[in-house]
Amino acid sequence: DTGVSQNPRHKITKRGQNVTFRCDPISEHNRLYWYRQTLGQGPEFLTYFQNEAQLEKSRLLSDRFSAERPKGSFSTLEIQRTEQGDSAMYLCASSSAGGSTDTQYFGPGTRLTVL
Amino acid sequence: GDSVTQMEGPVTLSEEAFLTINCTYTATGYPSLFWYVQYPGEGLQLLLKATKADDKGSNKGFEATYRKETTSFHLEKGSVQVSDSAVYFCALGYGGATNKLIFGTGTLLAVQP
Repeated sequence: DTGVSQNPRHKITKRGQNVTFRCDPISEHNRLYWYRQTLGQGPEFLTYFQNEAQLEKSRLLSDRFSAERPKGSFSTLEIQRTEQGDSAMYLCASSSAGGSTDTQYFGPGTRLTVL
Repeated sequence: GDSVTQMEGPVTLSEEAFLTINCTYTATGYPSLFWYVQYPGEGLQLLLKATKADDKGSNKGFEATYRKETTSFHLEKGSVQVSDSAVYFCALGYGGATNKLIFGTGTLLAVQP
């Protein structure tokens, strides 16, 4: 069990640049989630996929954000025209669908700093 | 809407002291409740969970009971260790089609030797 992995672990970019993050879920998990965590706060839900279908998006996910999971395995989160307010830790989690005890397992996160 | 409220930290305790971190929730349905822990420099890890009223989740000496009448899920441990120093997050989730987790703001626990 290799767990959920995320790359890169840290990203520093200048305002206005585009960035892309990758998440590799636990191999047998068909659900994948993205969250954002700012300093001193709990994670906030952004979006989630079941297999390749994006089933829910938060209002936090502005039109500058796009997420994909093209083959139902890894996922990417792209932020276009980054703003300083996008600076945060971006967390990915995965789970196996079924029942009411759908436990999410989190990756280490990608810390984004927008200068 | 649904929400989770945790006691503010930091909570500072001496080793072997009793720990309580309060968590209350507001829910429109019947969620599962979770405690996640984030150790320094590491990702979120599931500590324990409970899926229905009166269930008790437990792990590594930590316990929490799902109390529907008081809408609470307080985390307790009888004797904390320095290695328990971390940020603790309470969360709720429904599973099924509406699968996002809603987290509290986290409580920093610092255990001194």
